Amino acid sequence: DAGVTQSPTHLIKTRGQQVTLRCSPKSGHDTVSWYQQALGQGPQFIFQYYEEEERQRGNFPDRFSGHQFPNYSSELNVNALLLGDSALYLCASSSTGGGFEKLFFGSGTQLSVL
Amino acid sequence: QKEVEQNSGPLSVPEGAIASLNCTYSDRGSQSFFWYRQYSGKSPELIMSIYSNGDKEDGRFTAQLNKASQYVSLLIRDSQPSDSATYLCAVGRSFGAGTRLFVKA
Repeated sequence: DAGVTQSPTHLIKTRGQQVTLRCSPKSGHDTVSWYQQALGQGPQFIFQYYEEEERQRGNFPDRFSGHQFPNYSSELNVNALLLGDSALYLCASSSTGGGFEKLFFGSGTQLSVL
Repeated sequence: QKEVEQNSGPLSVPEGAIASLNCTYSDRGSQSFFWYRQYSGKSPELIMSIYSNGDKEDGRFTAQLNKASQYVSLLIRDSQPSDSATYLCAVGRSFGAGTRLFVKA
C-alpha cells in the first residue's frame, strides 16, 4: 500500500518564477492538506482540498493556489516566487472528509528560491 | 499570541528516564489534539491523538489533555536514543514549532 507520494523531491527556482508541486494521497484517503515548513519551524497550514474544492485556507497570499483532481491527487502552485518561499512543502492526506484527523505526510518537496 | 506554543528545547534526558513534553493552545473551541514525531530530514509521523480530557496511553507514550487549562502534554516512558527527534504538537490544523528531544545513551 503506497503512502503519500510527492514530486519532485527537490526543486531550485529563481525569484519571479512559478512552480507546481504534486501529491498523491494514501490509498483510501480523500482529503489533501498542504503545509509549508521553514527550517527550525513547525508546519504552517496553506490550504486543504476535499471533493475538488478548497475547503480551508491559512494565512498565505493568493500567489499560493491549488487543485484537486477526481482521483484525489493534488497540486500546489506558487506564482511570483520570493526568496522567503524557500522551504519544505509537505502534503498530508486523511480520510476524514475535510477534517484534520490523523494526517499522513509525504516526504516533502524541498524548494529553494535563488 | 501563537495558536500552538511549545518550548523549543532542546530537552535532554538520560536513557530509561521519562521525557515530558508540553504544549499550550489559544483556541478554547479546539476539539482534536495530536502529537507528531519528526526525525531530522524526515516528514512528521503521527504518534498520538487525544480528544477528551484525561490521559491516553499507547505503549511507552501517554498523552494528557486539560481543556480548561488549554494544555496538552506527552510523556515518553523508558526513553530510548531512538526517541531523539523533534516532537510537534498539533491542535486541529495548527502546529507548534516543536520541541527537540535528545535521549543520552
